[in-house]
Amino acid sequence: NAGVTQTPKFQVLKTGQSMTLQCAQDMNHEYMSWYRQDPGMGLRLIHYSVGAGITDQGEVPNGYNVSRSTTEDFPLRLLSAAPSQTSVYFCASRDSGSGELFFGEGSRLTVL
Amino acid sequence: AQSVAQPEDQVNVAEGNPLTVKCTYSVSGNPYLFWYVQYPNRGLQFLLKYITGDNLVKGSYGFEAEFNKSQTSFHLKKPSALVSDSALYFCAVRDDYNNNDMRFGAGTRLTVKP
Repeated sequence: NAGVTQTPKFQVLKTGQSMTLQCAQDMNHEYMSWYRQDPGMGLRLIHYSVGAGITDQGEVPNGYNVSRSTTEDFPLRLLSAAPSQTSVYFCASRDSGSGELFFGEGSRLTVL
Repeated sequence: AQSVAQPEDQVNVAEGNPLTVKCTYSVSGNPYLFWYVQYPNRGLQFLLKYITGDNLVKGSYGFEAEFNKSQTSFHLKKPSALVSDSALYFCAVRDDYNNNDMRFGAGTRLTVKP
């Protein structure tokens, strides 16, 4: 019963480096999203996807890219990491019937 | 765009006492309201939701929330708090104009003391 799986759980980058946060879900949910969590700011939506081949921007999309080639996977790419991107990142998928979001365990990213 | 405010960063209650975690919202259309809980180093877990119908919604672990349209509020409540309820609680909203943009509040840390 995997649900939403995120990798890696922890990552340290240097400014300017690139990396991809992986997200996979096994619930056949069409909707997937990425959030970042920062102290005192709650969760902010970065990008979301309503199905394979369809992505859209959320509240804080700058510096991040996404793609959705399959229903299961929704990777988040940082092309040139900045210290302001130090955060905890959460991937979520949504059950279309209940509207409930299912979250992964999170990925803690530190950019030096 | 829709938004959520959780006016209290921290709520402290004694075990056995009732608890309330406050949430107010702003939307253009009809609100879909949610409460989630986060335990340390974990993802968020769904507690309850209001879409339509009865203003009092019951959810997991004995929690409930009351939708008040005139006050644009959706406060989370529990009649008798447990130490194990200590966690970070998030209110969230989306509306029927943009069903895909869920906005979260800043979170309220609930501490229940024995």
